[in-house]
Amino acid sequence: EVQLVESGGGLVQPGGSLRLSCAASGFTFNNYEMNWVRQAPGKGLEWVSYISGSGRDTIYADSVKGRFSMSRDNAKNSLYLQMNSLRAEDTAVYFCARGGLPAQYWGQGTLVTVSS
Amino acid sequence: EIVLTQSPATLSLSPGERATLSCRASQSVSSILAWYQQQKPGQAPRLLIYDASKRATGVPARFSGSGSGTDFTLTISSLEPDDFAVYFCQWQGSFGLGTKVEVK
Repeated sequence: EVQLVESGGGLVQPGGSLRLSCAASGFTFNNYEMNWVRQAPGKGLEWVSYISGSGRDTIYADSVKGRFSMSRDNAKNSLYLQMNSLRAEDTAVYFCARGGLPAQYWGQGTLVTVSS
Repeated sequence: EIVLTQSPATLSLSPGERATLSCRASQSVSSILAWYQQQKPGQAPRLLIYDASKRATGVPARFSGSGSGTDFTLTISSLEPDDFAVYFCQWQGSFGLGTKVEVK
């Protein structure tokens, strides 16, 4: 069974940093590209970033470019999102999703709240 | 950047009725369009339709998708209680703002 479990969310002050993780199981992790997608409170879905199966290639939304960094450790079946210089508008539930978009499999999400 | 516009924003219907949701792209996306259902805000979306008309694994036949180019439709033939939710269309990294299907 495919499982994606995000962790690492929480409350952080503006300008702070946070690292999200996504633990994958039930499939051959390095065979799949991965995405992070977020949803701000009361808003729609917003794609955040993409990484290839090898981890060599990454793409970011303009809204997070230069502040967020996506990586993966295929030996640990884990995906990461390093978020720096956080802003109030980064407050959202962050989902990891398997494969390219559209994605069949999503994690349950982890809430990031940026507030003083 | 391709913008996806969904209409209506809210659809008020009764169980058993037919729901017709629209998604319009600002330029042609061929048939590369997907639809998701989200039961509650902050819950993982569920993929319903990909490539405009193909049902994802496990999706009931009452859900169907159609369209190509810039105009797409998601149809739910007969609404069941679990179908009252928010529906998003998606093309690559772009998502529509969603249509909420609520109980009339």
